[in-house]
Amino acid sequence: DVVLTQTPPTLSATIGQSVSISCRSSQSLLHSNGNTYLNWLLQRPGQPPQLLIYLVSRLESGVPNRFSGSGSGTDFTLKISGVEAEDLGVYYCVQSTHAPPTFGGGTKLELK
Amino acid sequence: EIQLQESGPGLVKPSQSLSLTCSVTGYTITSGYDWSWIRKFPGNKMEWMGYISYSGSTNYNPSLKSRISITRDTSKNQFFLQLNSVTTEDTATYYCARYIRYWGQGVMVTVSS
Repeated sequence: DVVLTQTPPTLSATIGQSVSISCRSSQSLLHSNGNTYLNWLLQRPGQPPQLLIYLVSRLESGVPNRFSGSGSGTDFTLKISGVEAEDLGVYYCVQSTHAPPTFGGGTKLELK
Repeated sequence: EIQLQESGPGLVKPSQSLSLTCSVTGYTITSGYDWSWIRKFPGNKMEWMGYISYSGSTNYNPSLKSRISITRDTSKNQFFLQLNSVTTEDTATYYCARYIRYWGQGVMVTVSS
């Protein structure tokens, strides 16, 4: 299975601060069809996960544009440009290029 | 608006079977997409368990292949998870989802005698 390694495991931020989360894959996530199926989820406390970013950098409908995704191959980054209180929770990268789909270990974003 | 809702027992004894239902509203499960079960273990670890496609084909995580079955009732627009021979390591919150875009609220299942 593809292993996704997220860093850092915990991130402390102040409101308004910009932060980044890294997701590194054990193998390239470039599919033979040319797409890279790397996505980012946010799970707020007591809520199911919410899709933020799909196909590396495409913003899901309704998600604020302070969230952005980038990367290629095996290295990917989620950036939050100006953390807001509602952004607190656990962030996951998840890949579906290779079967079975796999998740990163999660990054918990908390207030400093 | 599509909505998914899990239901089932919150407590299962070791060696027994875990059975959950996902009820879908706002979209017909035979119209398209794959319909998945995903679980989150205590802590942050998440695992994709498997899916049933709109056509009825199934695909399971190889780590569970001998214990898992996903079926559906198209007349009720529901799909189901059965996980056999559970152990305490199957204690988790179980989610049904359409791809990773639409999720149910999740149901916590504890395996304990």
